[in-house]
Amino acid sequence: AQKITQTQPGMFVQEKEAVTLDCTYDTSDQSYGLFWYKQPSSGEMIFLIYQGSYDEQNATEGRYSLNFQKARKSANLVISASQLGDSAMYFCAMREYTGRRALTFGSGTRLQVQP
Amino acid sequence: DSGVTQTPKHLITATGQRVTLRCSPRSGDLSVYWYQQSLDQGLQFLIQYYNGEERAKGNILERFSAQQFPDLHSELNLSSLELGDSALYFCASGRDSRDEKLFFGSGTQLSVL
Repeated sequence: AQKITQTQPGMFVQEKEAVTLDCTYDTSDQSYGLFWYKQPSSGEMIFLIYQGSYDEQNATEGRYSLNFQKARKSANLVISASQLGDSAMYFCAMREYTGRRALTFGSGTRLQVQP
Repeated sequence: DSGVTQTPKHLITATGQRVTLRCSPRSGDLSVYWYQQSLDQGLQFLIQYYNGEERAKGNILERFSAQQFPDLHSELNLSSLELGDSALYFCASGRDSRDEKLFFGSGTQLSVL
């Protein structure tokens, strides 16, 4: 079963605008973590933001924020004030804390920021 | 720079051959994870080691094996290579805490011809 679903294969956004990248997940665990990673064209995977399932407040890291809606099982990434350097693949990932602890990744969303 | 070192960056080889990919984790990280990224399969978890011991197994083929050495570096061995093994192989390291953020190396691009 698909654990992480990213329904947007590609997104466009104008420079300086905000953009939301969607992520839904499936788990029966009560305790889990949600992560977003960025993969620029150079290929490396860069950690952006983390949200724990018991965290009451949405996580923020600079221009990145995570819109966590536990009941809907969604963990959308919001990038504010987009920059040209934000053009990249973005992956949502989840770790279930019981059982296997490896990250499970979604299929990714390619974001292109236009000047 | 994530602090995770992977070598080599690129590897070109032929079907049937065997290769070894190497990973040095960030200082202080005891966990090493291997992932395979391909266009059709996306990012797939292969295997995890923690302080020298195998911790978890994912979609790793029997032709593939890994180990983590006492100095915590890890090697992924791929044998009897097939065209479909061509992919980007990532190593990631972490501290094995619940909110552990995995730090990824820059990957090894394997091309099997």
